[in-house]
Amino acid sequence: GDSVTQMEGPVTLSEEAFLTINCTYTATGYPSLFWYVQYPGEGLQLLLKATKADDKGSNKGFEATYRKETTSFHLEKGSVQVSDSAVYFCALLPTGRRALTFGSGTRLQVQP
Amino acid sequence: GAGVSQSPRYKVAKRGQDVALRCDPISGHVSLFWYQQALGQGPEFLTYFQNEAQLDKSGLPSDRFFAERPEGSVSTLKIQRTQQEDSAVYLCASSLDSDARSYEQYFGPGTRLTVT
Repeated sequence: GDSVTQMEGPVTLSEEAFLTINCTYTATGYPSLFWYVQYPGEGLQLLLKATKADDKGSNKGFEATYRKETTSFHLEKGSVQVSDSAVYFCALLPTGRRALTFGSGTRLQVQP
Repeated sequence: GAGVSQSPRYKVAKRGQDVALRCDPISGHVSLFWYQQALGQGPEFLTYFQNEAQLDKSGLPSDRFFAERPEGSVSTLKIQRTQQEDSAVYLCASSLDSDARSYEQYFGPGTRLTVT
């Protein structure tokens, strides 16, 4: 079945460091791919998405590129801030379905 | 702004009790989703409604779980005879569905259920 694998956390970085959170997926067809973020005490929010191969999603300085050849959708940010501290979830939406499949989440802690 | 709201935010139930969790989607949103999030894990799909029709309930873990959305707006997730393994955060999401760009799912804050 469909699945998403994320790197385990927590990831601890200093402010202004470069961030990469790895995400790979298994799915048939051409799923859409998403990154969601969960800030402390808040609900899940969509951070960015990509709907086809080679698409790049971007938002708030975060980027991820849909790589079909490596079945990956790694999240990157050039310079993290303390306010980016949160749990990040990679997710996919299989073709023709409405139910999201999530990874287990990666906690990011950014220290000043 | 009126986002997705859920109540109660926290629920403690003794094993064997029945519970009912409520979700108020964003006004006008056509689709409504329930997910279960165990501690330290990602959300897992439970069920999905389009208006009042339950189109997919493949994720419901047992027949103790039942969801309804009788008027196509508010939804209730009911868990009968709760077990300890039901302890989790239950998330509700809704989407507008008017066109392909509006299939984004907006999540509520969740209800944390603890079964003792």
